[in-house]
Amino acid sequence: DTAVSQTPKYLVTQMGNDKSIKCEQNLGHDTMYWYKQDSKKFLKIMFSYNNKELIINETVPNRFSPKSPDKAHLNLHINSLELGDSAVYFCASSQVRARGGQETQYFGPGTRLLVL
Amino acid sequence: QKEVEQNSGPLSVPEGAIASLNCTYSDRGSQSFFWYRQYSGKSPELIMSIYSNGDKEDGRFTAQLNKASQYVSLLIRDSQPSDSATYLCAVGWGGSTLGRLYFGRGTQLTVWP
Repeated sequence: DTAVSQTPKYLVTQMGNDKSIKCEQNLGHDTMYWYKQDSKKFLKIMFSYNNKELIINETVPNRFSPKSPDKAHLNLHINSLELGDSAVYFCASSQVRARGGQETQYFGPGTRLLVL
Repeated sequence: QKEVEQNSGPLSVPEGAIASLNCTYSDRGSQSFFWYRQYSGKSPELIMSIYSNGDKEDGRFTAQLNKASQYVSLLIRDSQPSDSATYLCAVGWGGSTLGRLYFGRGTQLTVWP
């Protein structure tokens, strides 16, 4: 009964390829996120969807395109992969409070992407 | 610009000691404060959440929040080698940033036996 799951766990690919990472949550949360964690362990938000609507879109190259087919799923497609895209990508979900602030974000296990 | 600052460490304490982890944030009006623990090669997992000024205790962990000083800390009593990990402070502001958490760069803690 995994709460937030991601596939694949590891992804090794060549520069220039296109790849997708999938995320699913069974917590009934209304908000899902993609984070990138670099080699220095800094966790930086990329995107957030609330009820399938994009609400956070950080300064991310447009080679990265998120898609949320429903509240429980948030996928990340990356075109023309570059060496600098190598990182760990975490999906997370939470229930956002109506009047601000938020509940805890729960993280998936991460996808370790290595671009050669 | 909203920023969350943590001492990167590493912080090294002997087993049984109290480990004190500190975090400051740049902007008043923040509403939610979280401490996550991340073991090497694993995902962040929640240790504590705190929303009001004061102390919140959960087992060996105590979170302390002082909004006037824009400061949040995590105390780990009776530290164990299994507490060795990176601890991430995260702050949520709500409002126009609804749903967004700002993370510090983490403090690496080592508890030696």
